[in-house]
Amino acid sequence: EADIYQTPRYLVIGTGKKITLECSQTMGHDKMYWYQQDPGMELHLIHYSYGVNSTEKGDLSSESTVSRIRTEHFPLTLESARPSHTSQYLCASSVSGGGETQYFGPGTRLLVL
Amino acid sequence: KNQVEQSPQSLIILEGKNCTLQCNYTVSPFSNLRWYKQDTGRGPVSLTIMTFSENTKSNGRYTATLDADTKQSSLHITASQLSDSASYICVVSAKAAGNKLTFGGGTRVLVKP
Repeated sequence: EADIYQTPRYLVIGTGKKITLECSQTMGHDKMYWYQQDPGMELHLIHYSYGVNSTEKGDLSSESTVSRIRTEHFPLTLESARPSHTSQYLCASSVSGGGETQYFGPGTRLLVL
Repeated sequence: KNQVEQSPQSLIILEGKNCTLQCNYTVSPFSNLRWYKQDTGRGPVSLTIMTFSENTKSNGRYTATLDADTKQSSLHITASQLSDSASYICVVSAKAAGNKLTFGGGTRVLVKP
């Protein structure tokens, strides 16, 4: 079982609210990722980081922002939630070299009303 | 454009039976191919990883094959159990752009008693 944690697991929130999804890993991995996944659909990369103070946007355009101040922590923030942000958000991490298998957290299911 | 196509989209099998899932990809240049298992409401968990030179890899009752010439992979589940009910995702990594991953849409497997 991978040591990567996400909170909250479930979140129901009203339109316009600011939210932060937390992701932490205790494996010392240098690379971290955020994916968005709608029910029954494939994962889409929205943000990634290859180290502290390094963040990049992924393939899928997202209104969210991320920060990487500490190696183990990679929070995702939505300044103003909208119903179109309703989805599952998955955080993952990997270590450079050696195949770079990504280890996923349990996900956060977000519902914006 | 790099793509990963999986078939079938969904599959129902009886407990104890075998099944095979297919994955075709156009990712180039190829680095490696992974199969992940994703239980409902959870993050994906890596089952196998294969590089260009490997054509088969087993993990318990899961056996993955790779034909890098035809760009096809399969995942065979032997003597299925109820706990095998999940989505199985084929993920291909490209050598360029920092081992960028391309995700398939997944095959949803339901094992019935």
